[in-house]
Amino acid sequence: AQTVTQSQPEMSVQEAETVTLSCTYDTSESDYYLFWYKQPPSRQMILVIRQEAYKQQNATENRFSVNFQKAAKSFSLKISDSQLGDAAMYFCAYHSGGSNYKLTFGKGTLLTVNP
Amino acid sequence: DTEVTQTPKHLVMGMTNKKSLKCEQHMGHRAMYWYKQKAKKPPELMFVYSYEKLSINESVPSRFSPECPNSSLLNLHLHALQPEDSALYLCASSQEVVIEKLFFGSGTQLSVL
Repeated sequence: AQTVTQSQPEMSVQEAETVTLSCTYDTSESDYYLFWYKQPPSRQMILVIRQEAYKQQNATENRFSVNFQKAAKSFSLKISDSQLGDAAMYFCAYHSGGSNYKLTFGKGTLLTVNP
Repeated sequence: DTEVTQTPKHLVMGMTNKKSLKCEQHMGHRAMYWYKQKAKKPPELMFVYSYEKLSINESVPSRFSPECPNSSLLNLHLHALQPEDSALYLCASSQEVVIEKLFFGSGTQLSVL
C-alpha cells in the first residue's frame, strides 16, 4: 500500500523568506502523480502544485516549486518570498493514476508565517 | 464557475435527528466525492460518485447515506449519528475518472450532540 509521510508537523517562516516542507512516499508504481494541497483557516483545500512522476522537470507555480527526487521517493515543496496568506496546513498527496479515485494524504504540516 | 458550493456551513444535530448536507458544482465534472476530516488530520475518503453512480464506499456506516440526483448535485443524508461523527465534511469534484485536480468545497462543520 502507498504511504505518504510528512515528518514536520509544524514549521514557521518569516515573511519574505523561503521555507521547504518535506514529503516522502512509498510506492512500487513507476507512474503516478504527486500533489501539494493547502488548507487555510477557511478550510477549503486548494491545489498548490502537481507533479507527474514521468516528468523529470520539477513543477513550479509562481512562488511555489517542488524538488522531486523519484529514486529517493521525495517530493518537497519550496515556498519563496513567503506571505502572510501562505499560512495554512499543507498536505502532500499521492495518486496512482488511471481510474483510481483515491488520494493518499500525508498527515500535514502546519505552516506559520511570522510578520 | 470554478466553485464547489456546500451547504450548510455549520450544522448542529442531535443523535436522533435526520439532516442532509448538500454539494453543488457547475464545472461539468463527472466525479464527486465526500470526505470526512477530523481536526488537524488529513481528509478521509467516504464515497465517490462517477457519472452519477456510486463507485466507492469506504466501508462507511449506514447512518451516512449518499445520493447523487444529477451530475451537478451530491447529497449526504445523516441519520442517528454518534458524537464521534462530529467533523468537517468536505465535498470535492474532478474531471472524468482521472484525478488531475480535485476541487474542494469549504465544507460543513458538523457537531453531533
